[in-house]
Amino acid sequence: GENVEQHPSTLSVQEGDSAVIKCTYSDSASNYFPWYKQELGKRPQLIIDIRSNVGEKKDQRIAVTLNKTAKHFSLHITETQPEDSAVYFCAASPRRGSSNTGKLIFGQGTTLQVKP
Amino acid sequence: NAGVTQTPKFQVLKTGQSMTLQCAQDMNHEYMSWYRQDPGMGLRLIHYSVGAGITDQGEVPNGYNVSRSTTEDFPLRLLSAAPSQTSVYFCASRIFSTGELFFGEGSRLTVL
Repeated sequence: GENVEQHPSTLSVQEGDSAVIKCTYSDSASNYFPWYKQELGKRPQLIIDIRSNVGEKKDQRIAVTLNKTAKHFSLHITETQPEDSAVYFCAASPRRGSSNTGKLIFGQGTTLQVKP
Repeated sequence: NAGVTQTPKFQVLKTGQSMTLQCAQDMNHEYMSWYRQDPGMGLRLIHYSVGAGITDQGEVPNGYNVSRSTTEDFPLRLLSAAPSQTSVYFCASRIFSTGELFFGEGSRLTVL
């Protein structure tokens, strides 16, 4: 079945440094790749997403890159701040034949700690 | 708009008991889903639905049932609770053809 692997499981950086989280997916037909941020005790919320026809997308300090050939995508956070501390999840949207399934399969999560 | 509403927020069950987690959304989303979140395991898909009357299994469907009689509601039933079902459960919905998955606040279930 579809699988999404996420690394690292924990990441600790100094405030102002950059953080990179990587994911690989198994279904080569997947066409949508979002990233979610979950603060302690809260629900996951979308921070950025990318579709398979785009290689890179940026939103202020956050960027996502996609390599379809290698079936991996990455989240880049620059100039990290203490409020970036949270759990981050990647996800992929597998297809069934030529149809969208609508479902999202998530990675295992990365706990990011930004030290002041 | 209330978004995605889950009830109850907390529940304690004894092994073998049954219960239903309720989920409702008021955004007219075709797609609804249930996830469970366990430490180190991420968000695992239990069941999902692409419209009223249509449901399908996700990654970890065993021990859970769902139904979708209306666009708004997608309840998750535990027929005979087991300690392995102790988890935080999230209901989520989205417009089928677009992106963002909207999550409810979560329901923390403990099975003793």
